[in-house]
Amino acid sequence: DQQVKQNSPSLSVQEGRISILNCDYTNSMFDYFLWYKKYPAEGPTFLISISSIKDKNEDGRFTVFLNKSAKHLSLHIVPSQPGDSAVYFCAASCGSGNTGKLIFGQGTTLQVKP
Amino acid sequence: DVKVTQSSRYLVKRTGEKVFLECVQDMDHENMFWYRQDPGLGLRLIYFSYDVKMKEKGDIPEGYSVSREKKERFSLILESASTNQTSMYLCASSSPRDRVFGNYGYTFGSGTRLTVV
Repeated sequence: DQQVKQNSPSLSVQEGRISILNCDYTNSMFDYFLWYKKYPAEGPTFLISISSIKDKNEDGRFTVFLNKSAKHLSLHIVPSQPGDSAVYFCAASCGSGNTGKLIFGQGTTLQVKP
Repeated sequence: DVKVTQSSRYLVKRTGEKVFLECVQDMDHENMFWYRQDPGLGLRLIYFSYDVKMKEKGDIPEGYSVSREKKERFSLILESASTNQTSMYLCASSSPRDRVFGNYGYTFGSGTRLTVV
């Protein structure tokens, strides 16, 4: 039962263009959503997050959009750079209690071509 | 400034061996987690701990156990390694105090690539 789904295993875009990575979730109790970026042989690093009470959060080239009615969020990278090539994981926080457990999607591998 | 340290980057073990993966964090975090990453399956939670000597099963605990004797250290144990445990193992930590300030994320270690032959 995959509560957080990234249905596109891979995405390839040209340098300078927009990259759009998508994520769907099933649990309406999720209160916070995060995107992590992972290079090979390294641990994931935090990229950007959004609270469930908002519909957009922007940080430089990265913007996350949340559509609660559709249970869908997306990460936009504009403009895309070759250094953005990595695996991107969407994650959701359950919110209840203090454990702060995150549930991750399957990941999307982004390749930005020079 | 490394904050979550996993003791080994690469390990090769034989089937049936008992394997210990160590993780240490220096941020005084209460919560610690062990995930494994496999292609197409993302990050799957094995075990987590929200306090010393406390542990909770994640989504895929079978074949694993954990130990948390000190706040800063969380060990993952493969009781009898099998080839289907070949994977990238990731340790992470977090604190409920950070959530008060809007930080819901984890700090991850660099990972341990385990190969069981």
